[in-house]
Amino acid sequence: TQLLEQSPQFLSIQEGENLTVYCNSSSVFSSLQWYRQEPGEGPVLLVTVVTGGEVKKLKRLTFQFGDARKDSSLHITAAQPGDTGLYLCAGGSGGSNYKLTFGKGTLLTVNP
Amino acid sequence: DAGITQSPRHKVTETGTPVTLRCHQTENHRYMYWYRQDPGHGLRLIHYSYGVKDTDKGEVSDGYSVSRSKTEDFLLTLESATSSQTSVYFCAISDGRGGSGNTIYFGEGSWLTVV
Repeated sequence: TQLLEQSPQFLSIQEGENLTVYCNSSSVFSSLQWYRQEPGEGPVLLVTVVTGGEVKKLKRLTFQFGDARKDSSLHITAAQPGDTGLYLCAGGSGGSNYKLTFGKGTLLTVNP
Repeated sequence: DAGITQSPRHKVTETGTPVTLRCHQTENHRYMYWYRQDPGHGLRLIHYSYGVKDTDKGEVSDGYSVSRSKTEDFLLTLESATSSQTSVYFCAISDGRGGSGNTIYFGEGSWLTVV
């Protein structure tokens, strides 16, 4: 069974601070996806990375896939209260990536 | 937003009773999934389907069965509900194109409480 470990599990910061969330595994994934989930809703895809070493930016969010495709990080610059939510990483396996293995998530709270 | 409708959205049931959750999609996607989300465990795959009448088990399938008689509908059944099945259940869909990564779209969830 492939496992994804996310850290930290909880993170509470002040508006304007920077933060990094990590997603690590001993397994190689063909793709790594990051989702954000708000209370009472389903997860929503933020980004997909598929190439080792790949870096993608989405406004103040920077996503990186490790060279060996076993780990990933999400960096948020100048966090805002609207960034509050549960951030989930998910690894795709198999040729079609039709199944995802999820980490347990990082609950981020950004205080005004 | 992807066209996914889960029903019921909230249900309280008694131990030992059967429960069926329904997922309906309007996207004509090939793949459909049922996940459960619990504190400390994250999202775990229960069952998934890769076509009409084609289903397979996920990592936590014990106590659950599924059926997919039409592309648009994927049913999750708890034959005899137990308190350990109290959870939030998410249906998800995907077109399964693979390649650059398979985007999975989630429904809004069904809150099930077994008392």
